[in-house]
Amino acid sequence: AQSVTQPDIHITVSEGASLELRCNYSYGATPYLFWYVQSPGQGLQLLLKYFSGDTLVQGIKGFEAEFKRSQSSFNLRKPSVHWSDAAEYFCAVADLDTDKLIFGTGTRLQVFP
Amino acid sequence: DTGVSQNPRHKITKRGQNVTFRCDPISEHNRLYWYRQTLGQGPEFLTYFQNEAQLEKSRLLSDRFSAERPKGSFSTLEIQRTEQGDSAMYLCASSLDGTYNSPLHFGNGTRLTVT
Repeated sequence: AQSVTQPDIHITVSEGASLELRCNYSYGATPYLFWYVQSPGQGLQLLLKYFSGDTLVQGIKGFEAEFKRSQSSFNLRKPSVHWSDAAEYFCAVADLDTDKLIFGTGTRLQVFP
Repeated sequence: DTGVSQNPRHKITKRGQNVTFRCDPISEHNRLYWYRQTLGQGPEFLTYFQNEAQLEKSRLLSDRFSAERPKGSFSTLEIQRTEQGDSAMYLCASSLDGTYNSPLHFGNGTRLTVT
C-alpha cells in the first residue's frame, strides 16, 4: 500500500539557518508528490509539487524539494528560515488508483530568533 | 477566488448528538474532498465528490457518517450519534479536476469536540 513517512516529528532551527525536512514514500509507480504547510488553526497550503521532469522543484515562500527515486525521498529545503515559517509541514503522495492524497504524519517546525 | 469556506469553525457537542458541517468550495471546482485530521496526525481521506456524485468513501466513514453535495456546489458532512472518537478537525478541499492535475485548496476546517 502507498504510504508516506516523515521521520522527524519536531524540528527546531534558528532564524536564518538552513532547513531540510525529510520525507520518504512507498509507491509502486512514478509518484506524484506534494508538500503542504499548515499554520495553527488553518487549512493546508500547497508549497510545491513534483509530477515528472526536473527532480529539483521550486515552490512558494523560497522552498524547494528534491525527488530522489533511488532513495524514495522527497525532502523539503530552505536555505534561510524566517520566523514566519514556523508551522506544520506535511508531505503527501497521490494515489492515482483511488484519486486521493495520502499524507504523512507531519513535521512541526519551530523557529528561534 | 474567495477560497474554500467551512462552517462552523468550531463545534462542541455532547456524545450521542448529531452534527452537520458545511463546505463551500471554490466556485468552478468540480471535485470536493473531505478529510479528517486528529492531533499529531496528517489528514486522512474520508470521501470525495465529482460534481454531485460521491465517488469513494473511506473505511473510516462508518454508517454514522453521511456526506452530500446535492447540486454539485456546497457539501455537507453529517455525523449521527457522535462519539468521543469523532473529535477531530474536519477539512474540506476542492480542486478543478483532480489531485494530480490541479492542486487541492483546503478550507480552514471545522474542529469538532465531543464531550
